[in-house]
Amino acid sequence: DGGITQSPKYLFRKEGQNVTLSCEQNLNHDAMYWYRQDPGQGLRLIYYSQIVNDFQKGDIAEGYSVSREKKESFPLTVTSAQKNPTAFYLCASSIVRTGSNEQYFGPGTRLTVT
Amino acid sequence: ILNVEQSPQSLHVQEGDSTNFTCSFPSSNFYALHWYRWETAKSPEALFVMTLNGDEKKKGRISATLNTKEGYSYLYIKGSQPEDSATYLCAFSDRGSTLGRLYFGRGTQLTVWP
Repeated sequence: DGGITQSPKYLFRKEGQNVTLSCEQNLNHDAMYWYRQDPGQGLRLIYYSQIVNDFQKGDIAEGYSVSREKKESFPLTVTSAQKNPTAFYLCASSIVRTGSNEQYFGPGTRLTVT
Repeated sequence: ILNVEQSPQSLHVQEGDSTNFTCSFPSSNFYALHWYRWETAKSPEALFVMTLNGDEKKKGRISATLNTKEGYSYLYIKGSQPEDSATYLCAFSDRGSTLGRLYFGRGTQLTVWP
């Protein structure tokens, strides 16, 4: 089955530690995205990548880093510089031939930092 | 950051009621408007992608319309059922942004009571 996997589903970390969230897709999509959701907020874009070895900052990139070494993988690192890391994180992918291509989402990772 | 507004924020209806919600977006540089359904404990799934002014899309009891000149889209659900309970997200892409990049609204949370 084609799809997007994110692991783990729940993640707990102590303040000051970096943590990496996994995102893998087997849809052969070129583009991948990381979003963050907080209560009462819409999905906010953290980083996106249209092609291997290239990525761009979204609206709230501060305190996060990404890599895109393989087409199918787009891991997100939440660094200790992120002031409010506790949130729900969604990964998505799409074909990028036009801006009308729908995005496919993973199941998300809920990160709690104490 | 482009502003996408959705209303109402939440909606509670009885089974069998018909309902509709609104998505407002910038009318200039329009490229595409997406609607997603996000059920609890699942991933968001695309319902519709609309690109042309006057577009109307339908999937079962759910339909959507698009007015790009005035910058709004309506989502209608006819004869709501409990399984329609979900958060409905709209997302906008414009010609000025990187292809594939979407701006999401905060969503309308629909609860259908049996």
